[in-house]
Amino acid sequence: GENVEQHPSTLSVQEGDSAVIKCTYSDSASNYFPWYKQELGKRPQLIIDIRSNVGEKKDQRIAVTLNKTAKHFSLHITETQPEDSAVYFCAASDGYNKLIFGAGTRLAVHP
Amino acid sequence: GAGVSQSPSNKVTEKGKDVELRCDPISGHTALYWYRQSLGQGLEFLIYFQGNSAPDKSGLPSDRFSAERTGGSVSTLTIQRTQQEDSAVYLCASSSRSGFYEQYFGPGTRLTVT
Repeated sequence: GENVEQHPSTLSVQEGDSAVIKCTYSDSASNYFPWYKQELGKRPQLIIDIRSNVGEKKDQRIAVTLNKTAKHFSLHITETQPEDSAVYFCAASDGYNKLIFGAGTRLAVHP
Repeated sequence: GAGVSQSPSNKVTEKGKDVELRCDPISGHTALYWYRQSLGQGLEFLIYFQGNSAPDKSGLPSDRFSAERTGGSVSTLTIQRTQQEDSAVYLCASSSRSGFYEQYFGPGTRLTVT
């Protein structure tokens, strides 16, 4: 079955800097890669996703890149703000079976 | 529209008692997941229902845990003979189909076993 590894487990940046979180997956059949953000005490929410027919997707300050050959994908947050502080989860699915989540990255953005 | 709802929001129980946690998914969503999240930890997959298929129970930690989904809608997670290590937030999520679609999470049930 699918296995998703996520790094780093914690990330601390200064406001305005960029943050990058990386994930690798094991199942070459996976073709859907979402990212979820969980603020303290809140439920996880989808922030961006990418499907295997594209290599990059951007939405304002966040972007996701996918390398299917290497089986890894990354979340990039530019011009970080304190409200970006949260736990971020990557995930992967082959579209038919359940979504598999990474262990999460705790991002702290310091003013 | 209405999102995923869970009840109760908080549950305190004594060790050894049974508990039932309820999840009402978004209407029409065929996929339903249960996760467990201990304080500061990740999303531990418990069980996955997809339509009329047999549920994927591969994440249930012991035979004290069981779940059912009636009529393809409401789901109940039951924990028998609760232990202190069962204390966590139990999250339910639904999606319109399988793993290819956004999961909408409920607010969770915080379970405390004393």
